[in-house]
Amino acid sequence: GENVEQHPSTLSVQEGDSAVIKCTYSDSASNYFPWYKQELGKRPQLIIDIRSNVGEKKDQRIAVTLNKTAKHFSLHITETQPEDSAVYFCAASGATGNQFYFGTGTSLTVIP
Amino acid sequence: GAVVSQHPSRVICKSGTSVKIECRSLDFQATTMFWYRQFPKKSLMLMATSNEGSKATYEQGVEKDKFLINHASLTLSTLTVTSAHPEDSSFYICSASAHGGNTGELFFGEGSRLTVL
Repeated sequence: GENVEQHPSTLSVQEGDSAVIKCTYSDSASNYFPWYKQELGKRPQLIIDIRSNVGEKKDQRIAVTLNKTAKHFSLHITETQPEDSAVYFCAASGATGNQFYFGTGTSLTVIP
Repeated sequence: GAVVSQHPSRVICKSGTSVKIECRSLDFQATTMFWYRQFPKKSLMLMATSNEGSKATYEQGVEKDKFLINHASLTLSTLTVTSAHPEDSSFYICSASAHGGNTGELFFGEGSRLTVL
């Protein structure tokens, strides 16, 4: 199956600063890359996603970039706020397109 | 967005017993559902893909006789942990795609925390 690696595992930023989380994947056939936010004790929630025919996508303070050649994609959060503190997971869809393999997660802490 | 409901949210059982966890898509039909296991402060590990009307597809290293999956209808998939042992204690979470699993958005259930004594 697909192998997704995610870095860093923990990230602390000052409120207002930017946060960047990076992921790499192994299966070049993967074509869908979602990002999920999981707050403690809650279910993961989709925050942004990107498909392989697009290089960048932005939604307000959140953006995702994809480099298919290098097989890596990144999440960018600008003007971070304390409520952005959570664990973030990247995922790749795998060769079949319908099996989601998750990265190891990044625990983001935004310091007020 | 679409709603996926999981039950029970917490279950405690004795070693050797079996536990069934249900995953329901409440407002859409899900031909494909996914079962994940999550250890504390760890990532979601895909266990199996549940296909309505056919056998589930298990990931490498996941015992299919240990983790029985049944997807008998378009809105319900069940995971049964058979002969549970303390090492099976974990957070189990299901998900479904509202687009039939074709790289559509995944919606997650609330998760089920299993504790085996």
